[in-house]
Amino acid sequence: KQEVTQIPAALSVPEGENLVLNCSFTDSAIYNLQWFRQDPGKGLTSLLLIQSSQREQTSGRLNASLDKSSGRSTLYIAASQPGDSATYLCAPQSNTNAGKSTFGDGTTLTVKP
Amino acid sequence: DTGVSQDPRHKITKRGQNVTFRCDPISEHNRLYWYRQTLGQGPEFLTYFQNEAQLEKSRLLSDRFSAERPKGSFSTLEIQRTEQGDSAMYLCASSLASAGQLITGAGNTIYFGEGSWLTVV
Repeated sequence: KQEVTQIPAALSVPEGENLVLNCSFTDSAIYNLQWFRQDPGKGLTSLLLIQSSQREQTSGRLNASLDKSSGRSTLYIAASQPGDSATYLCAPQSNTNAGKSTFGDGTTLTVKP
Repeated sequence: DTGVSQDPRHKITKRGQNVTFRCDPISEHNRLYWYRQTLGQGPEFLTYFQNEAQLEKSRLLSDRFSAERPKGSFSTLEIQRTEQGDSAMYLCASSLASAGQLITGAGNTIYFGEGSWLTVV
């Protein structure tokens, strides 16, 4: 059974700082891994999907890396802004089970102006 | 592309009542997922459909829960005889799998709706 851990659970940084969010998973038999953002009381917004054959994926100020063999992914946020404040969730997808995703409990980020 | 739509957004019901949530996936998306999320936790998988077929149900989905996806379009999630422990946000998501992915079970980008909040009093 896939288990996902996200560290830290909460993070508070001043505006402009670069930061890294960590995600680890126990079962390396994944097809891809997706990072999401969730604002309070809202649904999940997809940020990045990184295929298991890739090592990195970039979108704007976001960069996700994946080391499938060690069961780790990181999300790097450059030049953080107050609008980046949200909970960030990672979700590896099973490689045989129709994209069924297992979620961690997320990292809640606060960027202070 | 109007995104994944869920209705109602909020529902307050008395313990023992039945509730039904509806999800309209992104047009032509052939996979549809239901998740449940409680405060401070990540979403937990409940069930998923590939077209109209319900292919997997989590052990979290007791016999009071039933989901359908007639004709492979919208989906409903019904909870019978609600309990206070059912209070949560119910999230629907969809994805578009290629022909090869439908066969192998491989995944693709998943898009979530805004969720339906259930409060059982």
